[in-house]
Amino acid sequence: GAGVSQSPRYKVAKRGQDVALRCDPISGHVSLFWYQQALGQGPEFLTYFQNEAQLDKSGLPSDRFFAERPEGSVSTLKIQRTQQEDSAVYLCASSLLPARTQYFGPGTRLLVL
Amino acid sequence: DQQVKQNSPSLSVQEGRISILNCDYTNSMFDYFLWYKKYPAEGPTFLISISSIKDKNEDGRFTVFLNKSAKHLSLHIVPSQPGDSAVYFCAASARAGNQFYFGTGTSLTVIP
Repeated sequence: GAGVSQSPRYKVAKRGQDVALRCDPISGHVSLFWYQQALGQGPEFLTYFQNEAQLDKSGLPSDRFFAERPEGSVSTLKIQRTQQEDSAVYLCASSLLPARTQYFGPGTRLLVL
Repeated sequence: DQQVKQNSPSLSVQEGRISILNCDYTNSMFDYFLWYKKYPAEGPTFLISISSIKDKNEDGRFTVFLNKSAKHLSLHIVPSQPGDSAVYFCAASARAGNQFYFGTGTSLTVIP
């Protein structure tokens, strides 16, 4: 497709459940980013990949969060044993070059009950 | 520690007038700045960028101004249109870094 796509768009999980969020970046974009956006806030950085290498995961809030991009294209953000505070919109973005214009997907809205 | 700040949560402007959205940053290493527009239930859409080697960048009705000494940037929209009503985020990055730091957004309402 022409843009970044994410699935699912909405996810409701029971506390303690594991979830997996998928991101398909723009074809040819080597850099891929995950952000978490809480209500009324701006996106906050979680992690960054250059091709298949995870170069920065300093924003992951706990070891329950795990991201991978095994073939340098599609990426998955996994959250284990979800907690209510994990409820947020999870945004994926890709860019042709690091630290330059990022293009965002529509996000996955996660609600943990 | 918020490195990028948008101190006005909301702004209302009459259609046809100028909208000015402001953004301040604290990190002097930031050298690339972006503005995004966001509609409800959608991801942020890239609007305009500016590099620190410039102090102005223009694209149609949108102009971004950068004042490096004041660590301040602003987005001017003229003339404002009702379709411009959205939340606007500014973001900044440093060449040596990979992530962008975002402000908390300003909700713009353009009144017909």
